[in-house]
Amino acid sequence: AQKVTQAQTEISVVEKEDVTLDCVYETRDTTYYLFWYKQPPSGELVFLIRRNSFDEQNEISGRYSWNFQKSTSSFNFTITASQVVDSAVYFCALSGRGMYSGGGADGLTFGKGTHLIIQP
Amino acid sequence: DTGVSQNPRHKITKRGQNVTFRCDPISEHNRLYWYRQTLGQGPEFLTYFQNEAQLEKSRLLSDRFSAERPKGSFSTLEIQRTEQGDSAMYLCASSLPDRVPYEQYFGPGTRLTVT
Repeated sequence: AQKVTQAQTEISVVEKEDVTLDCVYETRDTTYYLFWYKQPPSGELVFLIRRNSFDEQNEISGRYSWNFQKSTSSFNFTITASQVVDSAVYFCALSGRGMYSGGGADGLTFGKGTHLIIQP
Repeated sequence: DTGVSQNPRHKITKRGQNVTFRCDPISEHNRLYWYRQTLGQGPEFLTYFQNEAQLEKSRLLSDRFSAERPKGSFSTLEIQRTEQGDSAMYLCASSLPDRVPYEQYFGPGTRLTVT
């Protein structure tokens, strides 16, 4: 069975601080996919990034960066110079390779989320 | 460019009543997913369609739940004989067709309250 653990329930930082959200996953699949989603107070989940298990390159997008470490089964998310608009619940999610399409169409397994509060 | 839409946005019903939710995916997406999210938790996968075929169902989907996607476009999720434990946000998502699991785009959800 797949599992995603986000141990940090809530993080509160002051604006402009850097913050890292942790994600640890468990899967038996040799090919799998990891995702981060943002859920702002409005409630709609917003896709942030997808990472394939065979691509361990870290990625940076503006103030966001992701660190994928297969050896420790972690996919951490860092926000640099945080802003009040970054306040939201952030979810890490995992998808397997998929039984029917051969390419991974399974439903996502989500962690419980980390509530990030950025104080002005 | 319209995203995933869900109707109704809110539904209050009495225990024992049946409810039906609708999801309209992004037009070129042939994959459609249903999830349930309770307060303080991440979304939990319920079921998945590729075109009109329902390919996967979670163990969370009890016999009182049924989902359809008759023409491979919109989908409906029906809950029969609702229970208070069914109170949750029901999310729909869609994704592009391909062998790689493309990111899923989520709708705003339908919040169900069973009294």
